[in-house]
Amino acid sequence: AQRVTQPEKLLSVFKGAPVELKCNYSYSGSPELFWYVQYSRQRLQLLLRHISRESIKGFTADLNKGETSFHLKKPFAQEEDSAMYYCALGGDSNYQLIWGAGTKLIIKP
Amino acid sequence: GAVVSQHPSWVICKSGTSVKIECRSLDFQATTMFWYRQFPKQSLMLMATSNEGSKATYEQGVEKDKFLINHASLTLSTLTVTSAHPEDSSFYICSARDGSVSSYNEQFFGPGTRLTVL
Repeated sequence: AQRVTQPEKLLSVFKGAPVELKCNYSYSGSPELFWYVQYSRQRLQLLLRHISRESIKGFTADLNKGETSFHLKKPFAQEEDSAMYYCALGGDSNYQLIWGAGTKLIIKP
Repeated sequence: GAVVSQHPSWVICKSGTSVKIECRSLDFQATTMFWYRQFPKQSLMLMATSNEGSKATYEQGVEKDKFLINHASLTLSTLTVTSAHPEDSSFYICSARDGSVSSYNEQFFGPGTRLTVL
């Protein structure tokens, strides 16, 4: 079964501390993974896609097929990083995305 | 970048009436559009997937006669909530896939529509 698990509903860290938002997936084929972010009162927007291997706003995410993980990391958190973060998996059917439950990230000053 | 608009951004209606929500891709052709429902402090729940010119595919548990989806053009999809009831009150979000990019599953999201049924 295709599934995305984000084990933490809420993650709170201090400004300047490292951040890691966990995402594990279950998928039999070659996965296509994304991180989306939703800032307060804004629409969902793409943060990262694994295929691009890019760093956006200081965030990186590495696909680990052995651990079936796609954790999102940032070495030094900033207050503006506070948001909801969703991990998503490209599914088999009609370009659908399989969504994780989301993690609310709070950066404390 | 790819922009998706939704209209209206919020709507209040009486129980028993129907409400139509529009989703438009402004600068790209959206061969596939998705309709989601988001409950407070919860993740997105996919309601249906629509491909331009064909019938929408509804997720299990979503009533197709209640949530009518039309994707008549490559830039417009509509969701009509028929005979709305208070339990239909929610945040409805559409997203669209750029048909010109064949390999990615990336979706571009609208800002959402807050529906309140009295």
